[in-house]
Amino acid sequence: EPEVTQTPSHQVTQMGQEVILRCVPISNHLYFYWYRQILGQKVEFLVSFYNNEISEKSEIFDDQFSVERPDGSNFTLKIRSTKLEDSAMYFCASVMNYGYTFGSGTRLTVV
Amino acid sequence: DAKTTQPTSMDCAEGRAANLPCNHSTISGNEYVYWYRQIHSQGPQYIIHGLKNNETNEMASLIITEDRKSSTLILPHATLRDTAVYYCIAHLGEAAGNKLTFGGGTRVLVKP
Repeated sequence: EPEVTQTPSHQVTQMGQEVILRCVPISNHLYFYWYRQILGQKVEFLVSFYNNEISEKSEIFDDQFSVERPDGSNFTLKIRSTKLEDSAMYFCASVMNYGYTFGSGTRLTVV
Repeated sequence: DAKTTQPTSMDCAEGRAANLPCNHSTISGNEYVYWYRQIHSQGPQYIIHGLKNNETNEMASLIITEDRKSSTLILPHATLRDTAVYYCIAHLGEAAGNKLTFGGGTRVLVKP
Protein backbone atom coordinates (compact mmCIF):
# COMPACT_ATOMS: atom_id res chain seq x y z
CA GLU A 1 0.00 0.00 0.00
CA PRO A 2 1.35 3.47 -0.88
CA GLU A 3 2.82 5.41 2.01
CA VAL A 4 3.69 8.95 2.94
CA THR A 5 7.31 8.97 4.07
CA GLN A 6 8.71 11.50 6.53
CA THR A 7 12.30 12.15 7.50
CA PRO A 8 13.87 12.42 9.95
CA SER A 9 11.80 10.53 12.48
CA HIS A 10 13.29 12.57 15.31
CA GLN A 11 15.16 15.87 15.22
CA VAL A 12 16.66 17.78 18.10
CA THR A 13 17.60 21.37 17.46
CA GLN A 14 18.71 24.40 19.42
CA MET A 15 16.37 27.32 19.85
CA GLY A 16 16.84 29.84 17.07
CA GLN A 17 18.10 27.30 14.56
CA GLU A 18 16.43 26.55 11.25
CA VAL A 19 14.98 23.11 10.64
CA ILE A 20 13.63 21.46 7.52
CA LEU A 21 11.21 18.58 7.83
CA ARG A 22 10.89 16.41 4.76
CA CYS A 23 8.01 14.44 3.33
CA VAL A 24 7.49 12.32 0.25
CA PRO A 25 3.74 12.24 -0.42
CA ILE A 26 2.04 9.56 -2.48
CA SER A 27 2.98 10.23 -6.08
CA ASN A 28 -0.41 10.72 -7.71
CA HIS A 29 -1.94 12.71 -4.87
CA LEU A 30 -2.93 16.30 -5.49
CA TYR A 31 -3.25 17.95 -2.10
CA PHE A 32 -0.56 18.08 0.55
CA TYR A 33 -0.72 19.12 4.18
CA TRP A 34 1.27 19.68 7.31
CA TYR A 35 -0.25 19.13 10.73
CA ARG A 36 1.34 19.20 14.14
CA GLN A 37 0.56 17.72 17.52
CA ILE A 38 2.05 19.10 20.69
CA LEU A 39 2.45 16.37 23.30
CA GLY A 40 -0.89 15.56 24.89
CA GLN A 41 -2.83 17.98 22.68
CA LYS A 42 -4.98 17.77 19.57
CA VAL A 43 -3.75 17.35 16.03
CA GLU A 44 -3.69 20.86 14.53
CA PHE A 45 -3.77 21.94 10.91
CA LEU A 46 -0.86 24.07 9.75
CA VAL A 47 -1.03 24.44 5.98
CA SER A 48 -2.41 22.94 2.79
CA PHE A 49 -0.67 23.01 -0.59
CA TYR A 50 -2.08 22.50 -4.05
CA ASN A 51 -0.78 23.18 -7.52
CA ASN A 52 2.51 24.43 -6.15
CA GLU A 53 1.07 27.03 -3.86
CA ILE A 54 -0.41 27.38 -0.41
CA SER A 55 -4.18 27.01 -0.52
CA GLU A 56 -4.87 27.56 3.17
CA LYS A 57 -2.88 28.20 6.32
CA SER A 58 -3.72 28.42 9.98
CA GLU A 59 -2.84 31.14 12.47
CA ILE A 60 -0.01 28.95 13.70
CA PHE A 61 1.64 29.11 10.27
CA ASP A 62 3.28 32.50 10.68
CA ASP A 63 6.27 34.04 8.91
CA GLN A 64 8.63 31.60 10.59
CA PHE A 65 7.11 28.74 8.60
CA SER A 66 7.37 28.00 4.91
CA VAL A 67 6.60 25.07 2.64
CA GLU A 68 8.03 23.99 -0.68
CA ARG A 69 7.66 21.25 -3.20
CA PRO A 70 10.95 21.81 -4.98
CA ASP A 71 11.19 18.80 -7.25
CA GLY A 72 7.69 17.41 -7.70
CA SER A 73 8.18 14.67 -5.15
CA ASN A 74 9.54 16.08 -1.89
CA PHE A 75 7.36 18.35 0.22
CA THR A 76 9.18 20.28 2.92
CA LEU A 77 8.27 22.32 5.97
CA LYS A 78 10.87 24.85 7.08
CA ILE A 79 10.88 26.58 10.42
CA ARG A 80 13.22 29.53 10.16
CA SER A 81 14.06 30.22 13.79
CA THR A 82 12.76 27.55 16.11
CA LYS A 83 11.20 28.32 19.47
CA LEU A 84 10.73 26.02 22.44
CA GLU A 85 7.00 25.93 21.71
CA ASP A 86 7.64 24.47 18.26
CA SER A 87 8.44 21.17 19.93
CA ALA A 88 5.83 18.76 18.61
CA MET A 89 5.13 15.86 16.27
CA TYR A 90 4.80 17.13 12.72
CA PHE A 91 2.71 15.08 10.33
CA CYS A 92 2.64 15.33 6.58
CA ALA A 93 -0.46 14.13 4.72
CA SER A 94 -1.64 13.81 1.16
CA VAL A 95 -4.92 12.96 -0.50
CA MET A 96 -6.26 12.15 -3.93
CA ASN A 97 -9.95 11.30 -3.78
CA TYR A 98 -10.86 10.47 -0.21
CA GLY A 99 -9.18 9.56 3.02
CA TYR A 100 -6.02 11.40 3.90
CA THR A 101 -2.85 9.34 4.16
CA PHE A 102 -0.62 10.57 6.96
CA GLY A 103 3.06 9.94 7.43
CA SER A 104 4.41 8.55 10.66
CA GLY A 105 5.64 11.96 11.71
CA THR A 106 8.78 13.81 12.74
CA ARG A 107 9.25 14.44 16.42
CA LEU A 108 10.85 17.87 16.72
CA THR A 109 12.47 18.74 20.02
CA VAL A 110 13.71 22.29 20.49
CA VAL A 111 16.15 22.74 23.36
CA ASP B 1 -16.80 21.75 9.83
CA ALA B 2 -19.63 20.93 12.20
CA LYS B 3 -18.72 20.21 15.82
CA THR B 4 -18.70 16.58 16.90
CA THR B 5 -19.00 15.19 20.43
CA GLN B 6 -17.47 11.89 21.49
CA PRO B 7 -16.97 10.17 24.84
CA THR B 8 -13.50 10.82 26.21
CA SER B 9 -12.66 7.17 26.69
CA MET B 10 -14.02 3.66 26.62
CA ASP B 11 -12.81 0.15 27.27
CA CYS B 12 -13.55 -2.87 25.15
CA ALA B 13 -12.90 -6.57 25.54
CA GLU B 14 -10.68 -8.26 22.99
CA GLY B 15 -12.73 -10.19 20.46
CA ARG B 16 -15.91 -8.28 21.16
CA ALA B 17 -17.46 -5.58 19.03
CA ALA B 18 -16.54 -2.02 19.92
CA ASN B 19 -19.28 0.56 19.32
CA LEU B 20 -18.01 4.13 19.27
CA PRO B 21 -20.70 6.82 19.31
CA CYS B 22 -20.46 10.32 17.88
CA ASN B 23 -22.92 13.20 17.98
CA HIS B 24 -22.94 15.77 15.17
CA SER B 25 -26.28 17.48 15.57
CA THR B 26 -25.29 20.55 13.52
CA ILE B 27 -23.91 18.66 10.56
CA SER B 28 -24.82 20.24 7.25
CA GLY B 29 -26.28 18.35 4.31
CA ASN B 30 -23.06 18.24 2.36
CA GLU B 31 -20.77 17.23 5.22
CA TYR B 32 -19.59 13.66 5.45
CA VAL B 33 -18.88 11.78 8.65
CA TYR B 34 -15.27 10.64 8.68
CA TRP B 35 -13.51 8.40 11.17
CA TYR B 36 -9.78 8.33 11.75
CA ARG B 37 -7.70 6.73 14.45
CA GLN B 38 -4.29 7.47 15.94
CA ILE B 39 -2.26 4.71 17.48
CA HIS B 40 0.15 6.07 20.08
CA SER B 41 1.57 9.21 18.42
CA GLN B 42 1.66 7.69 14.97
CA GLY B 43 0.05 9.58 12.12
CA PRO B 44 -3.75 9.45 12.02
CA GLN B 45 -5.12 6.62 9.91
CA TYR B 46 -8.26 6.85 7.78
CA ILE B 47 -10.89 4.27 8.70
CA ILE B 48 -14.16 4.99 6.92
CA HIS B 49 -16.54 7.73 5.87
CA GLY B 50 -20.17 8.12 4.89
CA LEU B 51 -22.80 10.67 3.99
CA LYS B 52 -26.23 9.13 4.60
CA ASN B 53 -26.00 5.40 4.06
CA ASN B 54 -24.36 2.90 6.33
CA GLU B 55 -20.92 1.88 5.12
CA THR B 56 -18.68 -1.12 5.68
CA ASN B 57 -15.11 -1.85 4.75
CA GLU B 58 -12.43 -4.25 5.88
CA MET B 59 -11.73 -2.22 8.99
CA ALA B 60 -15.09 -1.17 10.33
CA SER B 61 -18.76 -0.37 9.81
CA LEU B 62 -20.33 3.05 10.04
CA ILE B 63 -23.95 3.46 11.04
CA ILE B 64 -25.46 6.92 10.48
CA THR B 65 -28.87 7.75 11.90
CA GLU B 66 -31.57 8.77 9.50
CA ASP B 67 -31.53 12.38 10.73
CA ARG B 68 -27.70 12.34 10.44
CA LYS B 69 -27.32 13.85 13.88
CA SER B 70 -25.30 10.96 15.20
CA SER B 71 -23.31 7.96 14.06
CA THR B 72 -21.61 4.86 15.44
CA LEU B 73 -18.35 3.32 14.36
CA ILE B 74 -18.31 -0.43 14.87
CA LEU B 75 -15.12 -2.44 15.12
CA PRO B 76 -16.59 -5.92 14.75
CA HIS B 77 -13.92 -7.95 16.55
CA ALA B 78 -11.63 -5.67 18.51
CA THR B 79 -8.00 -6.70 18.88
CA LEU B 80 -5.30 -5.30 21.14
CA ARG B 81 -3.91 -3.48 18.10
CA ASP B 82 -7.14 -1.49 17.89
CA THR B 83 -6.17 0.39 21.05
CA ALA B 84 -6.01 3.99 19.81
CA VAL B 85 -7.67 7.40 19.87
CA TYR B 86 -10.61 7.43 17.46
CA TYR B 87 -11.69 10.71 15.87
CA CYS B 88 -15.11 11.41 14.42
CA ILE B 89 -14.95 14.39 12.06
CA ALA B 90 -17.68 16.12 10.08
CA HIS B 91 -15.99 17.14 6.87
CA LEU B 92 -16.86 18.53 3.46
CA GLY B 93 -14.58 15.97 1.82
CA GLU B 94 -11.29 16.23 0.08
CA ALA B 95 -12.53 18.20 -2.91
CA ALA B 96 -10.78 21.57 -3.00
CA GLY B 97 -8.35 20.33 -0.40
CA ASN B 98 -10.54 20.89 2.62
CA LYS B 99 -8.58 20.47 5.82
CA LEU B 100 -9.46 18.10 8.65
CA THR B 101 -10.26 19.55 12.07
CA PHE B 102 -9.48 17.11 14.85
CA GLY B 103 -11.20 17.15 18.22
CA GLY B 104 -10.18 15.24 21.31
CA GLY B 105 -11.49 11.89 20.09
CA THR B 106 -12.31 8.77 22.09
CA ARG B 107 -9.45 6.92 23.69
CA VAL B 108 -10.27 3.23 23.23
CA LEU B 109 -8.47 0.65 25.31
CA VAL B 110 -8.91 -2.95 24.20
CA LYS B 111 -8.33 -5.29 27.10
CA PRO B 112 -7.45 -8.98 26.95
